[in-house]
Parts: sequence; structure tokens; C-alpha cells
Amino acid sequence: AQSVTQLGSHVSVSEGALVLLRCNYSSSVPPYLFWYVQYPNQGLQLLLKYTTGATLVKGINGFEAEFKKSETSFHLTKPSAHMSDAAEYFCAVSDQGGSEKLVFGKGTKLTVNP
Amino acid sequence: KAGVTQTPRYLIKTRGQQVTLSCSPISGHRSVSWYQQTPGQGLQFLFEYFSETQRNKGNFPGRFSGRQFSNSRSEMNVSTLELGDSALYLCASSLAAPDTQYFGPGTRLTVL
Repeated sequence: AQSVTQLGSHVSVSEGALVLLRCNYSSSVPPYLFWYVQYPNQGLQLLLKYTTGATLVKGINGFEAEFKKSETSFHLTKPSAHMSDAAEYFCAVSDQGGSEKLVFGKGTKLTVNP
Repeated sequence: KAGVTQTPRYLIKTRGQQVTLSCSPISGHRSVSWYQQTPGQGLQFLFEYFSETQRNKGNFPGRFSGRQFSNSRSEMNVSTLELGDSALYLCASSLAAPDTQYFGPGTRLTVL
């Protein structure tokens, strides 16, 4: 069975500081990995995804993530936080067998302080 | 291209009632998945439909059901509502598995 662990339910950074949101996964098959963002009272918006190939993945709004198989990690980073980045972030995994079932982490709420 | 739409956006029901939620996928998308989001359990997969067939089902009781129509629109139904069914219900669509899922804004269900 697949699972996702997001370390830190709340992360607070200053505007302009590095954003690092941690995600570790467990999967018995090669995974597809995703990061989604959710703003208040909205659905989920895809930030980036890893399927195969290059392990450093660039997404929207300046975010990127690196797939590290040896560490079973897929941490999300952004060099410089903006106030507009304040939201909840979800890491998710699905298997490459064709399943559409996404297994989500519990989420990390990011606060950006001026 | 229009995104995933869900109706209604908000619903208030009482225990024991039933409810039907609707989801219209992005044009051309044939796969529709449903998720329940609660503060305690987080995001949990309910089921997935592709070409009117349920392909995958999460660990929810039989009170939760769904269907997909020939135009790929999907509905989910919850019968005999319980207080614990209060949640944000999210619908997502994709071209086909495995592919990126695009989420709608959700339906906020409150059970009193």
C-alpha cells in the first residue's frame, strides 16, 4: 500500500526566505508524485508532478521538487517566498500501474510573514 | 478551456437524508475521481469512473455511490447522511489513467 508523510503540519517563513516543504512516500511500485496547493475555499491546483525521467521537476509559481529514490523523498522548494504563497500544500502519490487513485499526505499549511 | 465544475457549491442537509452531488469534467476528459476532505482524515479517495464504469473504489461504506454518464459527467450520492459525512467533496478529471488530475472547487456538505 502506498502512503505519504508530510513532515510539519504548519510551516512559517518570512517573505523572501527559502520555502522547504517535506514529503516522504512509501510505494511498492515506481511512483508518480505530485504537489498540489489549496487556497481557502478552493479546490486543489497542481504545482508540479514527477512521472519518469529528470528527477528535478520545475512547476508553476517558482516551485520545484526533486525526486530522490534512495531517500523516498519528494521535497518542495521555492527560493524566495511571496505573501501569495500562503496556502495549504499537499503531496500525493499514485502508482504507475494506471490507477487514478491519489494517496495524499495530511498537508502542510504555509504561513508567510511580512 | 473551462475547468472542472461542481454543483452545488454548498449544501446543508439533516441526518438521515440523502444527497446528490454533480461534477462536470474538463471537455474531453473521460476519467472522473471523487475525494472527501475533512479536517480529521484529510483527503481520501472515494471512487473513480472511466467511460461510465467504476474502475476503482476507496474504503467507504456502501452509502456512498456514484455513476458516470455517457458525456463523462458524474454524480455521487450519499444516502442516510450521518454527521461525519460533513466534508468538502472534490471531483477531479483527467484524460485517462495515469494522468494529471484537475480538481474542481468542491461541494461543501454540512450535515446537521
